[in-house]
Amino acid sequence: EAGVTQFPSHSVIEKGQTVTLRCDPISGHDNLYWYRRVMGKEIKFLLHFVKESKQDESGMPNNRFLAERTGGTYSTLKVQPAELEDSGVYFCASSYQTSPKAFFGQGTRLTVV
Amino acid sequence: EDQVTQSPEALRLQEGESSSLNCSYTVSGLRGLFWYRQDPGKGPEFLFTLYSAGEEKEKERLKATLTKKESFLHITAPKPEDSATYLCAVQATNDYKLSFGAGTTVTVRA
Repeated sequence: EAGVTQFPSHSVIEKGQTVTLRCDPISGHDNLYWYRRVMGKEIKFLLHFVKESKQDESGMPNNRFLAERTGGTYSTLKVQPAELEDSGVYFCASSYQTSPKAFFGQGTRLTVV
Repeated sequence: EDQVTQSPEALRLQEGESSSLNCSYTVSGLRGLFWYRQDPGKGPEFLFTLYSAGEEKEKERLKATLTKKESFLHITAPKPEDSATYLCAVQATNDYKLSFGAGTTVTVRA
């Protein structure tokens, strides 16, 4: 069974540019989550999709971040325009609809210079 | 707001030297407490979920326990391959998001 897959694994962009991160969840998982870890801090929740609907986006830092989940399958997280403080590792996770057990991808390391 | 505090931040062990990691938490209502293992450059890997005080779960050399205020991850006779960062997270009642602690980095020397 394929796990959660994230693209790209690394991205280096300049301040003010746009970056789009992609997550392919485990097939059949309705729940999809985005988290991020900034340097020296703990992993923090960003948002939660149930199928294509945003269930909880209370962790999104500001309106420069836009998440979508087309057709309830893969998800994208766009940062526009990127700022230095957006640097960190962005994790995607997925789970079955009623299961609390989430499986994580390997993460995308974003560096804004 | 849910809070998770892990201690110690780092732990260096000799192979075979058993030890315990602590996770203290405050949450309005606990749906579940999770332990994950994270290796460098990889995402968190699920280890255990504990749901109620008194519950214990084991996997190889790892054993997790839960009280109303904290959880312990006991590592018995660790091997170098047990070296990793161990993350604790809580999930509140009627919620699906995880609130993570900062983790404990365990290094096991041969």
